[in-house]
Amino acid sequence: GESVGLHLPTLSVQEGDNSIINCAYSNSASDYFIWYKQESGKGPQFIIDIRSNMDKRQGQRVTVLLNKTVKHLSLQIAATQPGDSAVYFCAVSGAGSYQLTFGKGTKLSVIP
Amino acid sequence: KAGVTQTPRYLIKTRGQQVTLSCSPISGHRSVSWYQQTPGQGLQFLFEYFSETQRNKGNFPGRFSGRQFSNSRSEMNVSTLELGDSALYLCASSRAGGTEAFFGQGTRLTVV
Repeated sequence: GESVGLHLPTLSVQEGDNSIINCAYSNSASDYFIWYKQESGKGPQFIIDIRSNMDKRQGQRVTVLLNKTVKHLSLQIAATQPGDSAVYFCAVSGAGSYQLTFGKGTKLSVIP
Repeated sequence: KAGVTQTPRYLIKTRGQQVTLSCSPISGHRSVSWYQQTPGQGLQFLFEYFSETQRNKGNFPGRFSGRQFSNSRSEMNVSTLELGDSALYLCASSRAGGTEAFFGQGTRLTVV
């Protein structure tokens, strides 16, 4: 099966700085990776995804990096804003799998 | 475009009772997945439905069941409720399952 681990349960950054949230997965056959943001009282919100045939993908102020050699995934948020404060989850699925395995989440706090 | 809609938002039930939760996916999405979120266990996969068929089931007891209707709407049922079933139940929809899953706000179930 798949397991998804997390390096840090909490992260505090100064407003305007860049944030990096990390995730590690166990199954080398994992094919699809997603980052979600969850604010208090809400469901997870899709941020960005990446497939195993890529190692980097960029969105608006966010970048996801995938290192398949060490089975590591990271989310970079540029110029972090107070509105970025939330819990961030990585999720992983295998080829042909219909389920996502989630990490425990990193709570990002932005200091104004 | 309307998002994933879950009803009700909040429920309080007594041990031993049963409960039914409802999920309306994004229009055009045929896959619906259910997840349980608790502080201790995080987000855990319950089951996934596609075209009215359950394709995958997580490691939960048989008290947890679900179904999907021809219009892709889905329900999940929990029978003989236990205190440990108190959680946020999240529904996610996607076109094909596993990928690009978009979540609803969740149903907060409290068992007393």
